[in-house]
Amino acid sequence: EAGVVQSPRYKIIEKKQPVAFWCNPISGHNTLYWYLQNLGQGPELLIRYENEEAVDDSQLPKDRFSAERLKGVDSTLKIQPAELGDSAVYLCASSSSRGGETQYFGPGTRLLVL
Amino acid sequence: TQLLEQSPQFLSIQEGENLTVYCNSSSVFSSLQWYRQEPGEGPVLLVTVVTGGEVKKLKRLTFQFGDARKDSSLHITAAQPGDTGLYLCAGATSGTYKYIFGTGTRLKVLA
Repeated sequence: EAGVVQSPRYKIIEKKQPVAFWCNPISGHNTLYWYLQNLGQGPELLIRYENEEAVDDSQLPKDRFSAERLKGVDSTLKIQPAELGDSAVYLCASSSSRGGETQYFGPGTRLLVL
Repeated sequence: TQLLEQSPQFLSIQEGENLTVYCNSSSVFSSLQWYRQEPGEGPVLLVTVVTGGEVKKLKRLTFQFGDARKDSSLHITAAQPGDTGLYLCAGATSGTYKYIFGTGTRLKVLA
């Protein structure tokens, strides 16, 4: 069974530029998460989807971050414009259902904003 | 704001030594998970504990959930270089489906 796929794996951009990350969850997983992870720290939830509905986006900085999960499968996370402080790893995870279930993480996209 | 503090933050030990990592909070959790993350990869779930006082073993790893469900520990016996990585605890409070991750413990086991 294929795991969670993320692309690109690495991205280097200049500040004020836009950037987008893509995630393909495990087939059949209804719940999808986007996390931000700073170096050596634990992931912080940005947004959680149940199918195509964003059920928790309280931690998403909506002035510059946006996300979508059309058709309840793949998801895209966008930053526009990027700031220096956005440099981090962006992790996508999926689970078969909400509430205490195992989250399967992708390898992440490492973003460097110069 | 819930906060999960892990200690120690960094740990470097020799192969064969034992170690314990702690995860503490002032909040009560309905369930708590432990993950291991290797460089360039996402976290991988090791265990989920849900009952106060629960102890689970995974080969040389022993996980314990505190009686009050506010803290947890991970004990590794006879550490191996393959145990090297970032260990993360994550807790979910009752009625939510949101796991809050701890601050992380970076372990390095030297051969």
